[in-house]
Order: sequence, then structure tokens, then C-alpha cells
Amino acid sequence: DAGVIQSPRHEVTEMGQEVTLRCKPISGHNSLFWYRQTMMRGLELLIYFNNNVPIDDSGMPEDRFSAKMPNASFSTLKIQPSEPRDSAVYFCASRGADNEQFFGPGTRLTVL
Amino acid sequence: AQSVSQHNHHVILSEAASLELGCNYSYGGTVNLFWYVQYPGQHLQLLLKYFSGDPLVKGIKGFEAEFIKSKFSFNLRKPSVQWSDTAEYFCAVNAEYSSASKIIFGSGTRLSIRP
Repeated sequence: DAGVIQSPRHEVTEMGQEVTLRCKPISGHNSLFWYRQTMMRGLELLIYFNNNVPIDDSGMPEDRFSAKMPNASFSTLKIQPSEPRDSAVYFCASRGADNEQFFGPGTRLTVL
Repeated sequence: AQSVSQHNHHVILSEAASLELGCNYSYGGTVNLFWYVQYPGQHLQLLLKYFSGDPLVKGIKGFEAEFIKSKFSFNLRKPSVQWSDTAEYFCAVNAEYSSASKIIFGSGTRLSIRP
């Protein structure tokens, strides 16, 4: 298995632009998680899905952030409009019924 | 609610020194416990896990952790660290698997090894 796949790996954009991050979980995993990591705030859980349904989105910072999981093999995290304080590394992770969670390589987002 | 505490924020050791990183959790029921490692510029990777059975768990790269239920602890150990162990280490806890559960991560301990 290729593991959790994220794209793009790096994104540089200007303030006000829309940013879409993509994630493909490990095949067979039914839970998917979006995290944000910064030096100041550490690792934060933004939202997670189970069987494509959002279970807990209490970590989503504001309405500018939205996430979807249209099917078991794909999820997106969208920021619209983006702001410099959104600059961070965004990780996607997936988990199977064995309760082991695996992280993707992350997307490093820089908003100028 | 579940929570995880990692009391050491930054640990600095010399090569060949022994390592112990503390982890305490709060949850009264049956737990699954994890240690993840994040090397500089990389993503979190599973180091070891405890689900049941022998409370002394051996992981990759010579790491081990001991689950002490009475102390709600799951400390990570390595008898002799190497420079390549420089990384951030995260302890995590989850109740036994359920579709609505999520793994709770500690705030991490940064480990710096002096060559």
C-alpha cells in the first residue's frame, strides 16, 4: 500500500486566494483526520470523518475552512479566503478498524 | 474526557545516554496507547503501540514502552540514544476502537541529541 497520499506537498499562495488540499486515505480505512501543525500551536485536530461522515469539526478554526469526503478514497480541505496565519503544515491521517492511525506526508502551506 | 500529558517539553541528551520520556493519560476504561515519532521535516510515524497483553512493548529502532495501569502511564525508553533519534515524540491514547472515537495526542517532547 502506498500509505496516505496528500497533494500538493507544498503550496505557496497569496492572501485571499482559495486553497484546496487533497487526501487519499489508505484503502480499507474508514476514518480520516485532518490536522494542522505549527510551531506556536503544535498539532491540532481540525476535523475527522468516519465512513465519509463528519463526526467532529470542532477544531475547524473558522468558516473560511471547510472539509468534504465525497467517497471513501478522497477528501479535501478548503480554505477560502486564505490568510497568512493559515500558514502551517496540514496532515491527513487515516485509521482502520485495528485502531492504528497513519499519517500522510503533509502539505506545507505558505500564505503570503 | 480523555487527555494526555507529556511533562517534558524539551530533552537534551548526549549520545549513548539512556532515555525515558514520560506520558500520563486520563481515562478510566480500557485504552489503546501509542508513541509516534516525527523526524525533522517529516510526518508522524508510529513507533510502537499497546493494545493488550504484555505491558512492556517493544517498538522499532530499539525503543520500548511500559504500560503501568495503576499509574496511568506509558513511558517511552531507550537504553542508548543515537544522534539520529533527534526528533519530536508524541504520546497518544484512545479508547478501544469505536467509530466515533479519536486518538488524543500529547503536546509532544522534543528530543535533541548532542553528537
